Amino acid sequence: AQKVTQAQTEISVVEKEDVTLDCVYETRDTTYYLFWYKQPPSGELVFLIRRNSFDEQNEISGRYSWNFQKSTSSFNFTITASQVVDSAVYFCALGMEYGNKLVFGAGTILRVKS
Amino acid sequence: KAGVTQTPRYLIKTRGQQVTLSCSPISGHRSVSWYQQTPGQGLQFLFEYFSETQRNKGNFPGRFSGRQFSNSRSEMNVSTLELGDSALYLCASSGERGNSPLHFGNGTRLTVT
Repeated sequence: AQKVTQAQTEISVVEKEDVTLDCVYETRDTTYYLFWYKQPPSGELVFLIRRNSFDEQNEISGRYSWNFQKSTSSFNFTITASQVVDSAVYFCALGMEYGNKLVFGAGTILRVKS
Repeated sequence: KAGVTQTPRYLIKTRGQQVTLSCSPISGHRSVSWYQQTPGQGLQFLFEYFSETQRNKGNFPGRFSGRQFSNSRSEMNVSTLELGDSALYLCASSGERGNSPLHFGNGTRLTVT
């Protein structure tokens, strides 16, 4: 069975601090996909990144970076120099090879204070 | 390009009633998925439709059903509503056949009293 664990329920930081959101996943599949989504107060889920199981390269996009380590089944997300607009709930999700069924973690509430 | 549109945004129903929620995907997208979000259970997959066929189904009772039309628009129906069905129902669309980024709508907030 697939499972995603986001152990951090809520994180509070002060603007400009760096923050890392943890994600640990479980699957027996060899081909799978990992995602991060952001859910602002308005409710819609905003896609941030997709990574397939064969691509362990870390990725950086502006202030966002992702660290994928198959050895520890982790896909962590770091926001550098956080801003108040980063305040949201962040979800890590696991997808299978076929179809668009995603298993989501419980989410991490990030509060960035000015 | 217009995003995923869900209607209505808010809905209040009484136990035992049924409800139909609508989702219009991004133009050109043929896959539509539905998710239920509650404080207790988080985000849970309901079902996915691709080219009018149900491709995947989550672990929900038969009271939850859906369909997709030839224009890719989708509806989900919940019959015999229970208090526990109160949730944010999110629809997502994607254009590729395989696993791909889902584009979500703003959701329909259903309250069952």
